[in-house]
Amino acid sequence: SQTIHQWPATLVQPVGSPLSLECTVEGTSNPNLYWYRQAAGRGLQLLFYSVGIGQISSEVPQNLSASRPQDRQFILSSKKLLLSDSGFYLCAWSFSKGDTEAFFGQGTRLTVV
Amino acid sequence: GEDVEQSLFLSVREGDSSVINCTYTDSSSTYLYWYKQEPGAGLQLLTYIFSNMDMKQDQRLTVLLNKKDKHLSLRIADTQTGDSAIYFCAESNNAGNMLTFGGGTRLMVKP
Repeated sequence: SQTIHQWPATLVQPVGSPLSLECTVEGTSNPNLYWYRQAAGRGLQLLFYSVGIGQISSEVPQNLSASRPQDRQFILSSKKLLLSDSGFYLCAWSFSKGDTEAFFGQGTRLTVV
Repeated sequence: GEDVEQSLFLSVREGDSSVINCTYTDSSSTYLYWYKQEPGAGLQLLTYIFSNMDMKQDQRLTVLLNKKDKHLSLRIADTQTGDSAIYFCAESNNAGNMLTFGGGTRLMVKP
């Protein structure tokens, strides 16, 4: 069976510090991978998606970047965090073909202080 | 671009039915989803419906789709305190499996 792991679960970082959130998927190959952000009081916003190693598409301009160094690893990064980067970040995966159901990780609550 | 709208809050008494509504704008939506998010946790897919269906029932959950009005609803029968959570409506089309989410409806179930 497939599983998705996302860490850390919570993170408090000062403004201007770097960020690295990691997500890995097990039990499947060549998944589509996604990073979503849920800001307080708002819905989920797609930040990045990837259909393969090294292939990253950005949905919104922002202070963040994503990388996919391995087939089942997806990393969300920032060189310098802003206060507005605070939120709940969710990694998700889906099969590359057919069913469009997305499976989510448990999320990372990031607070920038 | 696509837009998905939901009411922010719903309060019901335990044992009553809950109906959570959602509207969307993308006429090319192929799949429509309901996700549940419990406090501090990720999203759990509850159910989904293809755009060529009007209704789908799964135990206590009933999804109704009015494609003409672009309106989706989730009915939870015999609502329990464990159903308290945020419920997200989402849609996707054939273009790459990306989901567009609504803002979420917070369901509070009172004993």
